[in-house]
Amino acid sequence: DIQMTQSPSSLSASVGDRVTITCRASQSISSYLNWYQQKPGKAPKLLIYAASSLQSGVPSRFSGSGSGTEFTLTISSLQPEDFATYYCQQSYSTPPITFGQGTRLEIK
Amino acid sequence: QVQLQESGPGLVKPSQTLSLTCTVSGGSISSGSYYWSWIRQPAGKGLEWIGRIYTSGSTNYNPSLKSRVTISVDTSKNQFSLKLSSVTAADTAVYYCARAPLVPAAPFDYWGQGTLVTVSS
Repeated sequence: DIQMTQSPSSLSASVGDRVTITCRASQSISSYLNWYQQKPGKAPKLLIYAASSLQSGVPSRFSGSGSGTEFTLTISSLQPEDFATYYCQQSYSTPPITFGQGTRLEIK
Repeated sequence: QVQLQESGPGLVKPSQTLSLTCTVSGGSISSGSYYWSWIRQPAGKGLEWIGRIYTSGSTNYNPSLKSRVTISVDTSKNQFSLKLSSVTAADTAVYYCARAPLVPAAPFDYWGQGTLVTVSS
């Protein structure tokens, strides 16, 4: 199985901050990497697919980059509604599809 | 607008079989352009992919659960289903159904709201 490791596991930031979350794969996954946002009691929401493509309707302050084994999700200017948990997910080598352990983004 | 909705018992006894159904609306499950997956999340923990089915009926399962999982599709009802046998307390989780288009990276673009299944006697 391909292991996905996110860092940090949790992060405190303020409204307006620029935030970066990293996701590392245990082996190369090309660009087969997706990012999701999850708020308490809700299903995950797709933000970025194929490492850097913004899902329709997602604000442009979200961006993704990377390929191979290292990927980043960047939020250029945090908004109050962005405080949530973020997950990366690979679909390069399946089964199984695997997720990172999550990064909890909290208000400082 | 595509919508997915999970349904099934919220309480299952240990050693029994968990059965859930996902009803798809706003689009045909037979379109042939998507995988249909089940994903679960224990309280306070991360996401675990359980398995998926294609409209042809072909399936892929997480090896960690493969011996206990069956996913099936009923195109006439626009539904797909999950059966997980021999459940234990470790199977207590919110269960989600989700859709992934047949494109590179195959992201989960639509999700159900999730249904909590508790395994307890």
